[in-house]
Amino acid sequence: DVKVTQSSRYLVKRTGEKVFLECVQDMDHENMFWYRQDPGLGLRLIYFSYDVKMKEKGDIPEGYSVSREKKERFSLILESASTNQTSMYLCASSAGTRYGYTFGSGTRLTVV
Amino acid sequence: GENVEQHPSTLSVQEGDSAVIKCTYSDSASNYFPWYKQELGKRPQLIIDIRSNVGEKKDQRIAVTLNKTAKHFSLHITETQPEDSAVYFCAAITEGYQKVTFGTGTKLQVIP
Repeated sequence: DVKVTQSSRYLVKRTGEKVFLECVQDMDHENMFWYRQDPGLGLRLIYFSYDVKMKEKGDIPEGYSVSREKKERFSLILESASTNQTSMYLCASSAGTRYGYTFGSGTRLTVV
Repeated sequence: GENVEQHPSTLSVQEGDSAVIKCTYSDSASNYFPWYKQELGKRPQLIIDIRSNVGEKKDQRIAVTLNKTAKHFSLHITETQPEDSAVYFCAAITEGYQKVTFGTGTKLQVIP
């Protein structure tokens, strides 16, 4: 079974802090994604990466950056956390365009 | 970019009845349509998918139909059971790059 692991299940940070959300997958997938999930808005794509050191903006990249230095790890960075970034963050990976996603368990981030 | 509309946002059915969730997409280049089920507090999980060269796919009590001309696809769950209660997300993906656009989700409640 593909495993996608997110480092934290719950996180509370202060406004203005720099926040790192880590995601690791163990199946050598090329593609990795970061989504945020909010009630009534579904899953919205923040950034995705289709190879090491490659990244593409999703639909809502503002206020976020990402890093993919190794194939198995995809990090989401909030440069200066704000309260409107309070959300559930989901990482996912995929082997390619012919396959579905495998999601991590999510990180519920609260910015106070 | 792709836009995916999902209806209804909430759905209540009696145990044993059928449930249907519909999605409409905008990008005619989309050719892969997965469905995810997310139980409360858990990660979304792929339950069924369909590709553009197929009109219908069935897996036990779950089926998905696709009308490429009309750009809509539907999830059908027959003989619903309480454990089917969850939020269901549809998604659309275009060949060539792994960007998935999700619908806003349907909260299905199966009443025993």
